[in-house]
Amino acid sequence: SQKIEQNSEALNIQEGKTATLTCNYTNYSPAYLQWYRQDPGRGPVFLLLIRENEKEKRKERLKVTFDTTLKQSLFHITASQPADSATYLCAPRVGNYQLIWGAGTKLIIKP
Amino acid sequence: DAGVIQSPRHEVTEMGQEVTLRCKPISGHNSLFWYRQTMMRGLELLIYFNNNVPIDDSGMPEDRFSAKMPNASFSTLKIQPSEPRDSAVYFCASSPSGTSGTGELFFGEGSRLTVL
Repeated sequence: SQKIEQNSEALNIQEGKTATLTCNYTNYSPAYLQWYRQDPGRGPVFLLLIRENEKEKRKERLKVTFDTTLKQSLFHITASQPADSATYLCAPRVGNYQLIWGAGTKLIIKP
Repeated sequence: DAGVIQSPRHEVTEMGQEVTLRCKPISGHNSLFWYRQTMMRGLELLIYFNNNVPIDDSGMPEDRFSAKMPNASFSTLKIQPSEPRDSAVYFCASSPSGTSGTGELFFGEGSRLTVL
């Protein structure tokens, strides 16, 4: 069955450091993969999309990598800030419209 | 621009009652999704509409759940009769892309349902 694994434990990072979140998937080859941020009591918010033929994508302090051989995506936040604290969701796309959602990684940036 | 609008934000009801959740997608978006989120199961797709037509309802748990999209600016998700295990946060999301697009989703703030 299709499976998405993200860091199961909360990730505690000191302010100013780089936070790295992991997303591993099995049993399929997504055409692209999306990352979302979700704050408590809110809906997920789209951050970045990376295609299977792209190795890396950047947006301001965010960077995403996509390794189709390892079946893994890494999500980096550089110069992290307490405001970056949230749950981050990985969602590879399968087929024409279906996103398969990871459980999310809770990121805590400590001042 | 207004985002996806969902109502109610919170609903507490008793087992057996009918629940109707509402969604107004972003104008111009032709895809609409209903998701359910729980701690145990994360985000689960319930139903997907494209141009107001249900394309995939395989995630609808059982016949107690139904969804409609009578026009491009409105959708409902109905649970009748409701059960305690339906307690969850229900999200509506819309996308400007059809099946050919990259499909980034714009989520509403969710409807938190508690069935006693």
